[in-house]
Amino acid sequence: EAQVTQNPRYLITVTGKKLTVTCSQNMNHEYMSWYRQDPGLGLRQIYYSMNVEVTDKGDVPEGYKVSRKEKRNFPLILESPSPNQTSLYFCASSSTMNTEAFFGQGTRLTVV
Amino acid sequence: AQSVTQLGSHVSVSEGALVLLRCNYSSSVPPYLFWYVQYPNQGLQLLLKYTSAATLVKGINGFEAEFKKSETSFHLTKPSAHMSDAAEYFCAVSDHNTGTASKLTFGTGTRLQVTL
Repeated sequence: EAQVTQNPRYLITVTGKKLTVTCSQNMNHEYMSWYRQDPGLGLRQIYYSMNVEVTDKGDVPEGYKVSRKEKRNFPLILESPSPNQTSLYFCASSSTMNTEAFFGQGTRLTVV
Repeated sequence: AQSVTQLGSHVSVSEGALVLLRCNYSSSVPPYLFWYVQYPNQGLQLLLKYTSAATLVKGINGFEAEFKKSETSFHLTKPSAHMSDAAEYFCAVSDHNTGTASKLTFGTGTRLQVTL
């Protein structure tokens, strides 16, 4: 089954404690991205990757890092989380030839 | 820069009534346009997409949308609402000419409530 898998689904952490949210896709897609969803703001792109070792900032990259060492994986790293990063995060993937994006189930992060 | 405006953060309809969710876009080049649906505690699922073929696009679950270039609109409709249609709906645009073809810019979403 074609899917994008994120882990964990729910995470509560404290300010400043480094965390990683994993994302994996099994569709051999070149393009992967991270979004955060906040009430009244819709989804905003954090970072994206057009292929292995190629990443770039989206619209709201501050406080986040990503890496793309393998085509299937695109982890999101928060090195020093702050309460304003409390949000619902989605990973998405797509083929560059077909702009339909497939989304993971989401990770609800709370930073206290 | 491209942008999407969804008019109405909340829409309530009766079961069996017409569903109309509005989306207007801004793009400097011919866009690709999408509607996604998000059910509670789930990710986003593609309802339908416009990629410069037919202007009337049919999607899943009886939804359709019409691309109107003169109005820069891509409104989502369904003739008869079901209780199962209650969800949040997002309109999105991508700029397929910039090399970042899969970057989606989303609207702020419309929550659809269906009442008996």
